[in-house]
Amino acid sequence: DVKVTQSSRYLVKRTGEKVFLECVQDMDHENMFWYRQDPGLGLRLIYFSYDVKMKEKGDIPEGYSVSREKKERFSLILESASTNQTSMYLCASSLFEAGYEQYFGPGTRLTVT
Amino acid sequence: QKEVEQNSGPLSVPEGAIASLNCTYSDRGSQSFFWYRQYSGKSPELIMFIYSNGDKEDGRFTAQLNKASQYVSLLIRDSQPSDSATYLCAVEVRGGADGLTFGKGTHLIIQP
Repeated sequence: DVKVTQSSRYLVKRTGEKVFLECVQDMDHENMFWYRQDPGLGLRLIYFSYDVKMKEKGDIPEGYSVSREKKERFSLILESASTNQTSMYLCASSLFEAGYEQYFGPGTRLTVT
Repeated sequence: QKEVEQNSGPLSVPEGAIASLNCTYSDRGSQSFFWYRQYSGKSPELIMFIYSNGDKEDGRFTAQLNKASQYVSLLIRDSQPSDSATYLCAVEVRGGADGLTFGKGTHLIIQP
């Protein structure tokens, strides 16, 4: 069964803090993605990775960085959290050869105060 | 710029009726199309995908794709209250490795 897990369901951080969001998948998928979801704006792609140590910018990478040291783990880093980064963060993974469908983790609701 | 458009709703449908959800996309190079269901406070769950023109059926769900007109739709037959959710249309253009472009979703309400 497909499984994507995220380190926290809810997180509260202060402005200026460095924030790490972790995502782990157990499906041996090559591709991993980070999205944020906001009311009225929908899901927007922040970064994605198609291989270990590889990363590509999505539509809204500003203020974020990522790390993929192992195939199963993809981390999203907020270098200096700001209030406009308060959002729901969703990680997803896909197996390239399997038709590209993406499987999502449960999400992390981050509040920056 | 890749765009995926959906009517935000809410779309209200009586229980037992057919719910019809529509999505249009701007990029003619789009190759794969997905429908996700998202309950309030939960993450999106894949329910259907379609790659070829025509219809694809899976239980009560039917996805329809018309690449010439650049639209994809989802039909839900015999709608149940548990189908009440937001339905996201997603489109992939280049081999799946650069993520999906999502519509903002249609909020569907099934009235008992």
